Amino acid sequence: AQSVTQPDIHITVSEGASLELRCNYSYGATPYLFWYVQSPGQGLQLLLKYFSGDTLVQGIKGFEAEFKRSQSSFNLRKPSVHWSDAAEYFCAVGRTGNQFYFGTGTSLTVIP
Amino acid sequence: GAGVSQSPSNKVTEKGKDVELRCDPISGHTALYWYRQSLGQGLEFLIYFQGNSAPDKSGLPSDRFSAERTGGSVSTLTIQRTQQEDSAVYLCASEDWGGAETQYFGPGTRLLVL
Repeated sequence: AQSVTQPDIHITVSEGASLELRCNYSYGATPYLFWYVQSPGQGLQLLLKYFSGDTLVQGIKGFEAEFKRSQSSFNLRKPSVHWSDAAEYFCAVGRTGNQFYFGTGTSLTVIP
Repeated sequence: GAGVSQSPSNKVTEKGKDVELRCDPISGHTALYWYRQSLGQGLEFLIYFQGNSAPDKSGLPSDRFSAERTGGSVSTLTIQRTQQEDSAVYLCASEDWGGAETQYFGPGTRLLVL
């Protein structure tokens, strides 16, 4: 069965520090992989996506993610976190039929 | 252009009442999804509409939940005889089929059943 695991429920980093959010997936074929960000009271915004090709994907707001097939992972990274990055981050895999599968999210707190 | 909009943004209702949640997708997007987001949970797929095809209702949790999409545009999610466990944020997303698998999400409707 398809699934997405985000092992870190909550992460706290200092502003200016680097960030890595983990995502592991279970999928029977080559997956489509996504990272979304949800700010308080907002809908989900797509940060980046991977379909094929270069396994290092660049997204908006300075984020990048690397697809590692051997580890079934698609971790999100940012070299220097800004206070405005505080939000909930969701990893997703799609699609099987009409469905996308979302992880339970990682809440990011940024301290000054 | 305008993004996906949802109304109301917040809804408080009493147990046993019916509620209707509305989603206005991005104009021209042929695909529309409803998800439920409960506290501490990921997004739970509810239903999917694509053009004039029969909707994929496989994610609806019970027969109290139904949805329709009129004219291939606006969608309404109806929950009958609401229960406290229905309290959640209901998110709508639209997608331009063939548009690189990207869903655009609305801000959600936060439903509280007392």
